Amino acid sequence: KAGVTQTPRYLIKTRGQQVTLSCSPISGHRSVSWYQQTPGQGLQFLFEYFSETQRNKGNFPGRFSGRQFSNSRSEMNVSTLELGDSALYLCASSFGRVGEKLFFGSGTQLSVL
Amino acid sequence: TQLLEQSPQFLSIQEGENLTVYCNSSSVFSSLQWYRQEPGEGPVLLVTVVTGGEVKKLKRLTFQFGDARKDSSLHITAAQPGDTGLYLCAGPTTGTASKLTFGTGTRLQVTL
Repeated sequence: KAGVTQTPRYLIKTRGQQVTLSCSPISGHRSVSWYQQTPGQGLQFLFEYFSETQRNKGNFPGRFSGRQFSNSRSEMNVSTLELGDSALYLCASSFGRVGEKLFFGSGTQLSVL
Repeated sequence: TQLLEQSPQFLSIQEGENLTVYCNSSSVFSSLQWYRQEPGEGPVLLVTVVTGGEVKKLKRLTFQFGDARKDSSLHITAAQPGDTGLYLCAGPTTGTASKLTFGTGTRLQVTL
């Protein structure tokens, strides 16, 4: 079956702009989680959506937001980009049960200039 | 706040050598997962350990979950260049569903 698809793979933006990233989960998965990965902070949890509702949220400012559609596809948006937002953004899909395996996409590499 | 500390942070070894990566926390986890991430890709799950003291083997990789479920180790026997990558341990955050706390990561390079 098809894996988790993230688009775009690479993105270059300038400070102050906004960006939208997309994630298509594995068919049948209702949970989509987003993570930010940087060399300094490692993988940090942004938020999780389950059946179109945000179920968990990490410690990121309100500039980071997301949503999930009825087909389980998810988008995350970052407004007023800062240099420190440069990172690999990963999404992962699953059935949404505690401690289960997460299937990650290849990520979107965002560079903020 | 649950934290997972991994050691060492970096490891560069030659093919055929053995190595052990550690994942430690002061918190108890109901389970721990180990992922491997290759450049340009997302992490891929290697194994999940659930029971304190559990040992799981995946070919040349041996995973152990501490008796108190606060730590885990990954041992690789006779490392190969294909083992190169970033190794991450992760555990479910208390009281949440699929939110994972990831370890700080161990970057392994295996050379010929």
